[in-house]
Amino acid sequence: EPEVTQTPSHQVTQMGQEVILRCVPISNHLYFYWYRQILGQKVEFLVSFYNNEISEKSEIFDDQFSVERPDGSNFTLKIRSTKLEDSAMYFCASSLSSGANVLTFGAGSRLTVL
Amino acid sequence: AQSVTQLGSHVSVSEGALVLLRCNYSSSVPPYLFWYVQYPNQGLQLLLKYTTGATLVKGINGFEAEFKKSETSFHLTKPSAHMSDAAEYFCAVSKLYGQNFVFGPGTRLSVLP
Repeated sequence: EPEVTQTPSHQVTQMGQEVILRCVPISNHLYFYWYRQILGQKVEFLVSFYNNEISEKSEIFDDQFSVERPDGSNFTLKIRSTKLEDSAMYFCASSLSSGANVLTFGAGSRLTVL
Repeated sequence: AQSVTQLGSHVSVSEGALVLLRCNYSSSVPPYLFWYVQYPNQGLQLLLKYTTGATLVKGINGFEAEFKKSETSFHLTKPSAHMSDAAEYFCAVSKLYGQNFVFGPGTRLSVLP
């Protein structure tokens, strides 16, 4: 069964460092998403991406965050200068279309900022 | 704006007992509703979804949920709990043409032997 893969599974970084989280969505999917889950809290929407541009973003997705689809397969989330409060599990997801389509999630990348 | 509430952050049931996880939503437009499960150290896996049509939807692993518009609810049930059902369960709502899901806070299900 097709799946969304994320790397790394766990990254530890120092505050102020740049982090790039990588995702390979399902190959025929057109919509891509990042969500995050701070430990013990709910899953929060960060951003959605379609046709090589951001289509929606939340208040959390400030100037420190950026997304990119550098080639035909990868979808990355960059945090420019990490803060302690960026420590969370980051989930990538993809869907075939927008609307009520099912999002297929990756296993997540755990980011720990020290 | 849409929102989701899940009554009970932690639910414990005995193996073989009925599982009932509650989800209520608010939405200004007809909602599409989902239940996802998260096993320890894993990602989110779709259990079932309601879009249109039959209000009782069946999902994987014997779970089902019923959309009740009058009660703005989408409770998840399973007749007989299994040890392997222990996980975190998230209810989510999306709009017809929106792209971002809104997740509930989650309910951790423990299954006791």
